Amino acid sequence: DTAVSQTPKYLVTQMGNDKSIKCEQNLGHDTMYWYKQDSKKFLKIMFSYNNKELIINETVPNRFSPKSPDKAHLNLHINSLELGDSAVYFCASSQVGRAQETQYFGPGTRLLVL
Amino acid sequence: SQELEQSPQSLIVQEGKNLTINCTSSKTLYGLYWYKQKYGEGLIFLMMLQKGGEEKSHEKITAKLDEKKQQSSLHITASQPSHAGIYLCGAFSGGYQKVTFGIGTKLQVIP
Repeated sequence: DTAVSQTPKYLVTQMGNDKSIKCEQNLGHDTMYWYKQDSKKFLKIMFSYNNKELIINETVPNRFSPKSPDKAHLNLHINSLELGDSAVYFCASSQVGRAQETQYFGPGTRLLVL
Repeated sequence: SQELEQSPQSLIVQEGKNLTINCTSSKTLYGLYWYKQKYGEGLIFLMMLQKGGEEKSHEKITAKLDEKKQQSSLHITASQPSHAGIYLCGAFSGGYQKVTFGIGTKLQVIP
């Protein structure tokens, strides 16, 4: 019973392509997040959604567009991929949107842009 | 914006030894998370500390929050190979939702 799942686990693609990463949580949580972990292992928040509503939108290029069809899913679409987009992308969820609520992470999607 | 500094960045210990990892914040800490990350896996929640002086334990891992020093320490007693991984601290300084993470401490335990 995977709590937070992501697909695909690995993604290798050419520069300029458009790709999507999917995330699903079966915890019944209201809030979902996308984080990016770069090659230096810095983990930074990109977006968060609470009940399908965008709450946090950090300084992220507008080539990145999150979409939440329902509160159990938060997908990340990336247009015109660049070399610098190579990273591990983590999805997470929490009961509600307060920072005091524990966030549960997915296994990550390793994106490599060639 | 809040910044977290973890030390050491890398640690190699003999199995059975004790060790401590520190996480220092540039701003007042309202609360702090400790997570463990293994390659190919997501972050595994260890514990959350919210009150100054609070100390929590999870198996052989103990963490404490020192509000005045804006710091948390994570202590592992009698380390085992299963403790190996990257330990990340994440802090929130008030406000809604946003958690800032440190760069992590890579721990290797030699049998």
